[in-house]
Amino acid sequence: DAGVTQSPTHLIKTRGQQVTLRCSPKSGHDTVSWYQQALGQGPQFIFQYYEEEERQRGNFPDRFSGHQFPNYSSELNVNALLLGDSALYLCASSRQGISNEQYFGPGTRLTVT
Amino acid sequence: QQQVKQSPQSLIVQKGGISIINCAYENTAFDYFPWYQQFPGKGPALLIAIRPDVSEKKEGRFTISFNKSAKQFSLHIMDSQPGDSATYFCAASSSGGSQGNLIFGKGTKLSVKP
Repeated sequence: DAGVTQSPTHLIKTRGQQVTLRCSPKSGHDTVSWYQQALGQGPQFIFQYYEEEERQRGNFPDRFSGHQFPNYSSELNVNALLLGDSALYLCASSRQGISNEQYFGPGTRLTVT
Repeated sequence: QQQVKQSPQSLIVQKGGISIINCAYENTAFDYFPWYQQFPGKGPALLIAIRPDVSEKKEGRFTISFNKSAKQFSLHIMDSQPGDSATYFCAASSSGGSQGNLIFGKGTKLSVKP
């Protein structure tokens, strides 16, 4: 049973650029949540997708956007990158109805220079 | 209040000892309290979780104790092993309108000395 997968593993971008991160949920899961984890901090909720719609959003600017596909996989897009966007981006999947029981992927380490 | 406060920030325990990590919350709407274990360079792994209808839950060497009136919960790791050395995060969420929005503590870095 495949767990949550994310790609790429690492990414280096320049300020002002745009980035797209990808996530495939655990088998049987239909809900995807994205989190940002700064070094030495706990993960912070960005948004959650279910049925291809954004259902909840944390305190992140509109530069952060996402998408969910019919196969439940998801993308996180960040525009106009800032140095402060450097972090580990985590995807978590769950089943709607018990969507707070979340399983995390390995993350994508984004470095903005 | 959305914060979850976690302590201590770091913890050193001898092999075979008991590791105890504490968390406190303010939002009475929270009704799901998981603990995650994270190794360097990896994503958080769900370790154990509790809901407020029970005061304790045990899985192997890991136990969550929950005090609803005090709005506190804690993780106990019995017979701590060097392989338990990791960062532990408590979290909380509600099953209501913000279902799925996990609020995390800042983490506790546990080192188990052989």
